Amino acid sequence: NAGVTQTPKFQVLKTGQSMTLQCAQDMNHEYMSWYRQDPGMGLRLIHYSVGAGITDQGEVPNGYNVSRSTTEDFPLRLLSAAPSQTSVYFCASSENPDYQPQHFGDGTRLSIL
Amino acid sequence: RKEVEQDPGPFNVPEGATVAFNCTYSNSASQSFFWYRQDCRKEPKLLMSVYSSGNEDGRFTAQLNRASQYISLLIRDSKLSDSATYLCVVNRGDMNYGGSQGNLIFGKGTKLSVKP
Repeated sequence: NAGVTQTPKFQVLKTGQSMTLQCAQDMNHEYMSWYRQDPGMGLRLIHYSVGAGITDQGEVPNGYNVSRSTTEDFPLRLLSAAPSQTSVYFCASSENPDYQPQHFGDGTRLSIL
Repeated sequence: RKEVEQDPGPFNVPEGATVAFNCTYSNSASQSFFWYRQDCRKEPKLLMSVYSSGNEDGRFTAQLNRASQYISLLIRDSKLSDSATYLCVVNRGDMNYGGSQGNLIFGKGTKLSVKP
């Protein structure tokens, strides 16, 4: 079982570059989300989606875009990378986030120079 | 009160010890409660859900106190492999999927270190 797959696992970017973090799940979950985790800050929600074609902003959406064209995929785009976006990014999916646990990908470690 | 609050620790305990973590939450409408475990540089993984009547899974016991709005996790007979950060997770209680916070609130975690 693949579960939630994130690519790449590591990435180094220069300030101003753009890139897309990929996330795919094979559990047919409607709910998907992106978090960033920084030391001492805990997990912070960037964007989430309750189904294909529906996305919404989380707590820290600035500088990031998402789309949900299929149930399986939920890519996160950094428009113009900034050093403040250096973080570990986790994608998660859930059947129903209110009552069912979230399944996390193993993360993308992103450094912006 | 913060939405979800945990003692950051670290809790340093010897093998075999019993250790308890508490977590408080602010929204009385919250209905779902979870404990996640996160190993260093790894993704969070579900440890156990927390049910109203309390529940046990091997050495782990979770309790919910709705009146005082806190949940607890008890680990008995600690193992070296229990060393990790334990995250308390609470649903927001708003059945609408809107809002900038999404549906789940993650605590910042309590770090546990079990020593030989």
